[in-house]
Amino acid sequence: DAGVTQSPTHLIKTRGQQVTLRCSPKSGHDTVSWYQQALGQGPQFIFQYYEEEERQRGNFPDRFSGHQFPNYSSELNVNALLLGDSALYLCASSPSWADTQYFGPGTRLTVL
Amino acid sequence: DAKTTQPPSMDCAEGRAANLPCNHSTISGNEYVYWYRQIHSQGPQYIIHGLKNNETNEMASLIITEDRKSSTLILPHATLRDTAVYYCIVSEPYNQGGKLIFGQGTELSVKP
Repeated sequence: DAGVTQSPTHLIKTRGQQVTLRCSPKSGHDTVSWYQQALGQGPQFIFQYYEEEERQRGNFPDRFSGHQFPNYSSELNVNALLLGDSALYLCASSPSWADTQYFGPGTRLTVL
Repeated sequence: DAKTTQPPSMDCAEGRAANLPCNHSTISGNEYVYWYRQIHSQGPQYIIHGLKNNETNEMASLIITEDRKSSTLILPHATLRDTAVYYCIVSEPYNQGGKLIFGQGTELSVKP
């Protein structure tokens, strides 16, 4: 049984560009949450998707947006990239919105 | 802000039990205690969670004090592969849903 998968593994972008990160949840999971982890810090909650809707959102600007597809996979989009957006982006899935979350390996984004 | 306090670092000898403390003095009645760990640059790995009673699984034991203001994660026979940052998180899943708030965690070093 595959766990949470994320793509790509690494990504390099320049300031002002846009990026899309992808996440496939564990089999049987219908909820996806996204986190940003800056170097040396704990992960910070960005938002959660359930039933294709953004259910909760953390303290992130509107440049961060997402989507969930009918097969429960999800995308995280970041517009107008800043140097400070360089981080490990983590996706977590859970069997429902209130259940234990299981994390993927992350996507390392570097903004130059 | 994280609702938990953990020591920034701890050492443990290989083969010995690792006891990782966590203070959560403001925990509310419906909040669970979750433990995750993160090996360098990988996604956080779920370990265990509990509400009031002590819990044990194949990875670890969780001991929660009777007043629920603190807990201890026990790795019974630490190995070098247990070297990681351990995060203690309190969360009320049915109100807070997917929003896990990570602190700085405890960096556990298991030494030969």
